[in-house]
Amino acid sequence: DADVTQTPRNRITKTGKRIMLECSQTKGHDRMYWYRQDPGLGLRLIYYSFDVKDINKGEISDGYSVSRQAQAKFSLSLESAIPNQTALYFCATSDRSEGIGETQYFGPGTRLLVL
Amino acid sequence: AQSVAQPEDQVNVAEGNPLTVKCTYSVSGNPYLFWYVQYPNRGLQFLLKYITGDNLVKGSYGFEAEFNKSQTSFHLKKPSALVSDSALYFCAVRDRYFTGGFKTIFGAGTRLFVKA
Repeated sequence: DADVTQTPRNRITKTGKRIMLECSQTKGHDRMYWYRQDPGLGLRLIYYSFDVKDINKGEISDGYSVSRQAQAKFSLSLESAIPNQTALYFCATSDRSEGIGETQYFGPGTRLLVL
Repeated sequence: AQSVAQPEDQVNVAEGNPLTVKCTYSVSGNPYLFWYVQYPNRGLQFLLKYITGDNLVKGSYGFEAEFNKSQTSFHLKKPSALVSDSALYFCAVRDRYFTGGFKTIFGAGTRLFVKA
């Protein structure tokens, strides 16, 4: 979805480095998410935010932190990157008003390689 | 907890033939089911969803899915496959967060290859 953008699209870093992945959306949605995708494992939720003042851990939050700088911006940080954090990272948004059937809208992904 | 299973890692089909991508689910209440598609170097895109109502759900790009409660399945189908349908397909189910909201749980994905 072109209304959800992620930067950078690709990143190579070294073990122990701190990196930040950024996500911006122009959909006006209140909810934002960070997922990682690994082959054969589908998508796993790292963190989610239902509004600017609401941040929650997902199923695999260890080693990650997030910041919701504004309704439209949600960044993911790896404080000290390790090789098993090599993955494809997706940001997604959704609209609370859709209720139980809310659809998620995904950015194009950031491919991260930790050496 | 809710879960979805996609029993096939890969599905191969010839262009023009019907295709089916399988999904089974396990829920403790009413199922809320989704299909998403991921094209190469792209994020996931919503295809269709079942919340309530007709068991046959129609979605984008000519896809449809059939909800079968007795078999706990939500298979994705298309009458005539196109080479451009080649992609990674994810089945998903809604589940409650421990805080009382809902989250989306994704299956492992099925890669569809359509041969010309």
